[in-house]
Amino acid sequence: DVKVTQSSRYLVKRTGEKVFLECVQDMDHENMFWYRQDPGLGLRLIYFSYDVKMKEKGDIPEGYSVSREKKERFSLILESASTNQTSMYLCASSHLPGQGDTEAFFGQGTRLTVV
Amino acid sequence: TQLLEQSPQFLSIQEGENLTVYCNSSSVFSSLQWYRQEPGEGPVLLVTVVTGGEVKKLKRLTFQFGDARKDSSLHITAAQPGDTGLYLCAGLSGGGADGLTFGKGTHLIIQP
Repeated sequence: DVKVTQSSRYLVKRTGEKVFLECVQDMDHENMFWYRQDPGLGLRLIYFSYDVKMKEKGDIPEGYSVSREKKERFSLILESASTNQTSMYLCASSHLPGQGDTEAFFGQGTRLTVV
Repeated sequence: TQLLEQSPQFLSIQEGENLTVYCNSSSVFSSLQWYRQEPGEGPVLLVTVVTGGEVKKLKRLTFQFGDARKDSSLHITAAQPGDTGLYLCAGLSGGGADGLTFGKGTHLIIQP
């Protein structure tokens, strides 16, 4: 059973804290993504990575950074959490176009509340 | 940035009725995917359409990709309460590795 696993389902952090969201996939996918999902705004891409140590900005990278030290793991970092970063965060992985089926597999999501 | 517009944003209908959800763009996509998301979970792929004009059926769900590969529709026949969820369309463009462009989704509620 293929899987994308996010480290936490629910997280409550204080304003100014450094927050780490971890994501692991077991499908040997090249691509990994971090999205946030907010009511009325849909899924918005924060960052993605197509290879180890490679990262690309998505549509809303401000206030976030990422790390991909191993192919299977992609971490999202909130350097100094703010209340406007309260959201559902979704990690996904897929093959690169031409490397296999481009279906995106999602984790179960992390609902982050910043107080 | 490529945009995918989904309509309607919300839909609440009675069990047994038919419905259609639309996904439109001014951009051409090499393929288009439909996902379904249940509360508290990540989206799960329903179907991928690749060829302009392609029609795919998944039991009571019929997916169509427009001839110009800019739009798609999802038709559900005889909707059931188990169809309730958030339906997302997502487009993949040409050769990039930057993944899918998602629409904002259609919240579908089927009332018994």
